Amino acid sequence: DGGITQSPKYLFRKEGQNVTLSCEQNLNHDAMYWYRQDPGQGLRLIYYSQIVNDFQKGDIAEGYSVSREKKESFPLTVTSAQKNPTAFYLCASKGFNSPLHFGNGTRLTVT
Amino acid sequence: AQTVTQSQPEMSVQEAETVTLSCTYDTSESDYYLFWYKQPPSRQMILVIRQEAYKQQNATENRFSVNFQKAAKSFSLKISDSQLGDAAMYFCAYSRYGNKLVFGAGTILRVKS
Repeated sequence: DGGITQSPKYLFRKEGQNVTLSCEQNLNHDAMYWYRQDPGQGLRLIYYSQIVNDFQKGDIAEGYSVSREKKESFPLTVTSAQKNPTAFYLCASKGFNSPLHFGNGTRLTVT
Repeated sequence: AQTVTQSQPEMSVQEAETVTLSCTYDTSESDYYLFWYKQPPSRQMILVIRQEAYKQQNATENRFSVNFQKAAKSFSLKISDSQLGDAAMYFCAYSRYGNKLVFGAGTILRVKS
């Protein structure tokens, strides 16, 4: 079955450590996105990539980094520079003339 | 920058009744896309309905329909014959080209049996 896989579902880290969230899709979609969700707020765009080896900052990119070396993969690194990293992170992909398709998310807790 | 406002943090509806969730947005564009997404407790984002701004006809998907008022920049979601499985967080979203979505803060819908 085609879809987006985010792993792990829950992730715990100590403050000051970088952590990488995985996002893999087998939908053959060109575009991929990372969103952050906090309680009482909607999803906010962190980074997006329209094509392999290219990506752009979203609205809240500070403290995050991404790479897009393969069409199927768009990992997100939460660096120690991110002041409030505890959140729910959603990855999404989009093909031509299709709606955004979301993964199941990763809940990151930093203590 | 475009903004999306959902003024109802929470709504309740009796099973089998109808409920309307409100959404307003701000844009200077004439052509764009609007969406309603459902997020159940599993936190999976599920597309409920999509509207293209150039289409005057309101989109419908089974029990879900929208009231799209372009001049008023309003995009409300009507759920008819509400079911227990409709209980979720509902997000309204805007996109200029159908890709980068701007989301509202969401409305929690509770369905009473």
